[in-house]
This record gives sequence, structure tokens and C-alpha cells, in this order.
Amino acid sequence: TQLLEQSPQFLSIQEGENLTVYCNSSSVFSSLQWYRQEPGEGPVLLVTVVTGGEVKKLKRLTFQFGDARKDSSLHITAAQPGDTGLYLCAGVGGSYIPTFGRGTSLIVHP
Amino acid sequence: ETGVTQTPRHLVMGMTNKKSLKCEQHLGHNAMYWYKQSAKKPLELMFVYSLEERVENNSVPSRFSPECPNSSHLFLHLHTLQPEDSALYLCASSQDSGNTGELFFGEGSRLTVL
Repeated sequence: TQLLEQSPQFLSIQEGENLTVYCNSSSVFSSLQWYRQEPGEGPVLLVTVVTGGEVKKLKRLTFQFGDARKDSSLHITAAQPGDTGLYLCAGVGGSYIPTFGRGTSLIVHP
Repeated sequence: ETGVTQTPRHLVMGMTNKKSLKCEQHLGHNAMYWYKQSAKKPLELMFVYSLEERVENNSVPSRFSPECPNSSHLFLHLHTLQPEDSALYLCASSQDSGNTGELFFGEGSRLTVL
């Protein structure tokens, strides 16, 4: 079983602050995905990273895949209340089926 | 219509009831999944269907019975559930011809077992 550890588990910040959440594993993944889940909804795919060292940007969100393809980070600049949600990382290994971490629950206060 | 639709959104059932959850995808994908989401736990994969064939059953109790009549529809039949089965049940689809495994989720069915 490929385990993904996400940290921190909870994060409560003020609007305008920057933050970084981490996704770590001892396993190598062929790709890694980040999803955001809002209360009462299903997860929505934000990005997929495939190449070691790859950096992708989505407006104020920056995603990085580790060089060894075992870990990833998500950095949010100038967080807004609309960024509130559960951030899930999921790694894809030998099969095409993603394995999920427990998630980071983010609350951004106005 | 949204890409993946789940019904019902909320379900309350007793331990002796029989009910079913329904999922429909309008994305032309060829793989469908059931996940269970409980508080403080990672998303747990329950079942995977690829081209309407079940390819993975993650040691799920027999009180959960999946059905995939075609590539657009997926059901989860529920029978004699336990209170610990209360959770959010998420359906997802993907196009498994690629290897990135990107999932498109429905909004979930919130199940409460009394």
C-alpha cells in the first residue's frame, strides 16, 4: 500500500496570508494530483504533476512535484476566503488508481 | 448537466433496510469508482469498474453490492448496514486509457445508518 502523509492536518489563517501544505510518501509515483473539496461537495481536480521537479501554477496556487516523485507541495499566495476547503493529494503508482492522503483542512478568515 | 451525478444526496436508513445509491456520468469515461469518505480518514476505494468489468474490490463487506450495467451508470446496493457505515459515498469516473488516473467526482451521497 502506498501511503501519503499530508501536513498540516488543519490550517486556520487570515485573508492575505501565504501558506504551504505538504504531501509526502516513501513511494515513487508516476503522477500526483491535487484536489479541493468544499463542504457538502465532491473533490474537484486542481492539477496533475507528472515530471520530477515540475512546477505548475494556477492563479495564486503553485504546485511542485519533488525531484524523486515521492512528494509534492501546494503553496497559496494571499489566501482568500474562497480558498477554504479540504485539500487532498493523490498519488498514482503502478495501476492507474489514485491513492489519497487524509487531506489538509484549510479555513481562511475574512 | 454536471459531469457526474449522484442520487440521492442524502439518505437515512435503518439497519434492516435495503436501499441503492445511483451514479451517472456524462463524460464518456470508461472507468467508474465508489469511494467511502469518513471523518479523519483518507478516501477509501471500494470498487472500480473498467469497461463495465469489476477490476478491484478492496475487501469491502458483502453488505455493499455494486452494479455497473453500462459505462455510464454505477449503483451501490446497500443491505443490512451497520452504524459505522455512515459516511459520504463518492462516485467518480475516469478515462483509463491514460495513466494519470485523473478522477471526476460526483457531489456524494451522505448516508446515515440508524
